[in-house]
Amino acid sequence: GAVVSQHPSWVICKSGTSVKIECRSLDFQATTMFWYRQFPKQSLMLMATSNEGSKATYEQGVEKDKFLINHASLTLSTLTVTSAHPEDSSFYICSARNLQGYEQFFGPGTRLTVL
Amino acid sequence: GIQVEQSPPDLILQEGANSTLRCNFSDSVNNLQWFHQNPWGQLINLFYIPSGTKQNGRLSATTVATERYSLLYISSSQTTDSGVYFCAVGDGKLTFGKGITLSVRP
Repeated sequence: GAVVSQHPSWVICKSGTSVKIECRSLDFQATTMFWYRQFPKQSLMLMATSNEGSKATYEQGVEKDKFLINHASLTLSTLTVTSAHPEDSSFYICSARNLQGYEQFFGPGTRLTVL
Repeated sequence: GIQVEQSPPDLILQEGANSTLRCNFSDSVNNLQWFHQNPWGQLINLFYIPSGTKQNGRLSATTVATERYSLLYISSSQTTDSGVYFCAVGDGKLTFGKGITLSVRP
């Protein structure tokens, strides 16, 4: 149980285009999902907290207009990187927390490369 | 915000050896999780352990919440244990430590 999927697993796009990443909790409902970013050889940094049916809460320094988050249902959150640039290239990981507690379950990540 | 420190930053072991990885954190929390990040980037949940002791095969973990630290024990290490181990703490959201890179040599 407690499986989280992400799609796509990797994406290459041209500078200036937008990319959407989906995060799904497959076997549980998640009122809260989280989006993290990881650069090579570094730790995970929280970008935003996504709550079903309400606006996302962004961490300091994260541009909300660039990283659009939508949490449309209890099993799906999406992250859209708008007008992507090479510096947005990174590994994006989502997690989901079930209704019962604090434990988070992580997706396999999406590797974004912007040319 | 919460500060999370992991030590040592790097660890090299011979196969079969035991090891202890440490995580110190600066505030009381409701969530502490240990992860192993595999070469493809997937975070593997090892333990959800805000307090107490748990064991899973060759791995065990102990969190002493009152003293704000957690320990991950790996016994009889194998080459497949190599990778980065993260400790993450928090309540609603998690703060990750910088990770411990473990290399197990055959």
